[in-house]
Amino acid sequence: NAGVTQTPKFQVLKTGQSMTLQCAQDMNHEYMSWYRQDPGMGLRLIHYSVGAGITDQGEVPNGYNVSRSTTEDFPLRLLSAAPSQTSVYFCASSSFLAGEGSGANVLTFGAGSRLTVL
Amino acid sequence: KQEVTQIPAALSVPEGENLVLNCSFTDSAIYNLQWFRQDPGKGLTSLLLIQSSQREQTSGRLNASLDKSSGRSTLYIAASQPGDSATYLCAVRFSGGYNKLIFGAGTRLAVHP
Repeated sequence: NAGVTQTPKFQVLKTGQSMTLQCAQDMNHEYMSWYRQDPGMGLRLIHYSVGAGITDQGEVPNGYNVSRSTTEDFPLRLLSAAPSQTSVYFCASSSFLAGEGSGANVLTFGAGSRLTVL
Repeated sequence: KQEVTQIPAALSVPEGENLVLNCSFTDSAIYNLQWFRQDPGKGLTSLLLIQSSQREQTSGRLNASLDKSSGRSTLYIAASQPGDSATYLCAVRFSGGYNKLIFGAGTRLAVHP
């Protein structure tokens, strides 16, 4: 029962470099999402997906790309890293529900990926 | 704009106290509200989820209430213990937005022996 697995746990980049944060879940969840957490600001939604082939933007999508080719995987790509992208990134998944009324709506989070851009 | 606010930002209490953490949100049209716990350097663990039609949820020493009309939720922790020390986050799923949770900035709780 791995749940949501994120790699790498830590990464240091130089400005302008590119990289991909990996996220995989083994719970057959339709919904997957990426958040970033900055001190004093809570978590902010970057991108999300409600199924393979379907992605959409969250609150802070600029500078990030995503794709969802399989149900299990939802990678987050930084095309040209900037110091403002220094943050802790969390991937989360759940069964997708269009409305209220089910306990399956609970999000399961990965352990996080700490990214530093110099 | 849909926003979630948590007060206080930090709280320090002696062991054994009952305490209340507050969460407020700007739009009463919500699907549900979740309370999470985050330990330093770790991910988030879901504590309680309250559906829009519910008034409260309980799990052990934790009780969460929801008042949609006033845009408020409280997390009540009974008989606090040092192991309760963590950051507690409130997240709201506003209506019309799939599973887009909007998070508060959290309350950092320290329970000292």
